[in-house]
Amino acid sequence: DAGVTQSPTHLIKTRGQQVTLRCSPKSGHDTVSWYQQALGQGPQFIFQYYEEEERQRGNFPDRFSGHQFPNYSSELNVNALLLGDSALYLCASSFTLNEQYFGPGTRLTVT
Amino acid sequence: AQSVTQLDSHVSVSEGTPVLLRCNYSSSYSPSLFWYVQHPNKGLQLLLKYTSAATLVKGINGFEAEFKKSETSFHLTKPSAHMSDAAEYFCVVSEGPGNQFYFGTGTSLTVIP
Repeated sequence: DAGVTQSPTHLIKTRGQQVTLRCSPKSGHDTVSWYQQALGQGPQFIFQYYEEEERQRGNFPDRFSGHQFPNYSSELNVNALLLGDSALYLCASSFTLNEQYFGPGTRLTVT
Repeated sequence: AQSVTQLDSHVSVSEGTPVLLRCNYSSSYSPSLFWYVQHPNKGLQLLLKYTSAATLVKGINGFEAEFKKSETSFHLTKPSAHMSDAAEYFCVVSEGPGNQFYFGTGTSLTVIP
């Protein structure tokens, strides 16, 4: 079992650009959640996808959007990047309401 | 409303001595509580979880946590620290229909040889 995988590992973008991050959940998991972890902070919940729909959303602007595919994999899209979007983006998968398993993250740097 | 407070941002212990990382929570429901560990440049690893069964929870690598409802606490302990325990530790409360996770700000554990 490969666990939760994320791509890419690192990414450098310029202000105003758009970025797409990808996540493949652990085998057997149907729910994917995305988190933003700024340097020195705890992860902050962005949103959660279940059955290809956004089930819950944290306090993030509409520039942050996502998608879940029929195979349960997911994408996080961020438009009009700001310097403050620089962070580690974590994907977590779970099966129904069980504990979440986290991927290694994607380090996004906005210059 | 739900929140998690990790009472110490940094904890330093000598190798072989006990570890105590403190966590208080608030929740409107009967929460599930977790401790996760994050080693440098690594993802989050689940140490242990509480889901309304036994109040003393045993996790991996010798860690334990005790759920105390009257004190709204979920402190993490280990009898004897090892150098490999040096990492960032996060206390997490989970509640709501989507099992949303709320993280504390983290405690950085340093183990002195």
